[in-house]
Amino acid sequence: DQQVKQNSPSLSVQEGRISILNCDYTNSMFDYFLWYKKYPAEGPTFLISISSIKDKNEDGRFTVFLNKSAKHLSLHIVPSQPGDSAVYFCAAGGRETSGSRLTFGEGTQLTVNP
Amino acid sequence: DAGITQSPRHKVTETGTPVTLRCHQTENHRYMYWYRQDPGHGLRLIHYSYGVKDTDKGEVSDGYSVSRSKTEDFLLTLESATSSQTSVYFCAMAKGGTGGYEQYFGPGTRLTVT
Repeated sequence: DQQVKQNSPSLSVQEGRISILNCDYTNSMFDYFLWYKKYPAEGPTFLISISSIKDKNEDGRFTVFLNKSAKHLSLHIVPSQPGDSAVYFCAAGGRETSGSRLTFGEGTQLTVNP
Repeated sequence: DAGITQSPRHKVTETGTPVTLRCHQTENHRYMYWYRQDPGHGLRLIHYSYGVKDTDKGEVSDGYSVSRSKTEDFLLTLESATSSQTSVYFCAMAKGGTGGYEQYFGPGTRLTVT
């Protein structure tokens, strides 16, 4: 049972344009959502998060949008830069989840072309 | 993040041999986790710990055991390695609860079972 899904394994965009990465979840108990970025041969690094009481959170070029009714979140990167090329994972957790566990999606490989 | 390290970074072992991977953190975080990353599966939780000597199973725990005798160390043991356990293993830590749900990852261990 894949509770967090990223349906696009890969995404390619031009430098300077917007990158939109999508994530869907099925568990209505999730109330905290995060995005991680991963470069090859490195561990994932935390990028941005959003609580279920909000529908938008912004940090510089990165904005996460949450649509609770659709159980959908997205990460917007504007403008995209070649250094943004990486695998992006979305993750979800809940205050009722023991051990503060997170459930991760499969990841989306973003390639930003110069 | 230098606050969490893993050893070894690479290991090749033969089927049937025991293997122990070590995770060490210097942040005094309560929660620690072991994940494996495989193509098409994202990050899957193996085991986690919510305190010294307090551990529990994740979604892919078969064939793995863990121990946490000190806050800073979390060990993952493969009692008898199999080829299906060839993977990249990541350790993570989190404050958890009101301290935040963000998890911070180590650099990973690439394990090959021949």
